Amino acid sequence: QVQLHESGPGLVKPSETLSLTCNVSGASISSFYWSWIRQPAGKGMEWIGRLYVSGSANYNPSLESRVTLSLDTSKSQFFLKLTSVTAADTAVYYCAREPLDGIAYLDPWGPGTLVSVSS
Amino acid sequence: DIQMTQSPSSLSASVGDRVTIPCRASQTISTYLNWYQQTPGKVPKLLIYASSNLQSGVPSRFSASGSGTDFTLIISSLQPEDFATYYCQQTYRIPYTFGQGTKLEIK
Repeated sequence: QVQLHESGPGLVKPSETLSLTCNVSGASISSFYWSWIRQPAGKGMEWIGRLYVSGSANYNPSLESRVTLSLDTSKSQFFLKLTSVTAADTAVYYCAREPLDGIAYLDPWGPGTLVSVSS
Repeated sequence: DIQMTQSPSSLSASVGDRVTIPCRASQTISTYLNWYQQTPGKVPKLLIYASSNLQSGVPSRFSASGSGTDFTLIISSLQPEDFATYYCQQTYRIPYTFGQGTKLEIK
């Protein structure tokens, strides 16, 4: 059974860098795309970007200048870095898996981690 | 970006009702449309992928259809656990985008 789990600091100061880790178990990290999505409280969802083991990444243009995705196959982990954060980046951040076969969907998702941006 | 519109933002219904939830894309997306269910404080759950394919483990009372720009999620007979927010998502073009959701409430 595939499981994903996000981790990282729950509080980040404005202008600093948000760093999150997604731990993957039960699936090869080399065989899928891996995505990050966020959801501000009471609002809809925003796709942040996705990464493949080759290093190929796609980003949401709205965040592309501030986002970096990476992964560590040896640890079955993938990572999100978001620089120069503001209060608008406060959200629950999810990681999710996307199959490679062109039928694109996100499943499963991690439980999410709440990140607040505040001084 | 492709805009996904879900209207109404909320819907009231009773247990046993048949409910349809619409979703419209700002441009054609073929059948690259997924549906997710989210209950408060919970993780989004994939219900339907590629417009009409039921994800494994999802009850058969859920179905969906559509192609191009107009899509519909159907719940044939509402159960108490179905009261949740439903989101559509297009994966035709990056960036993937979601609708704002339709909240299904108990009448």
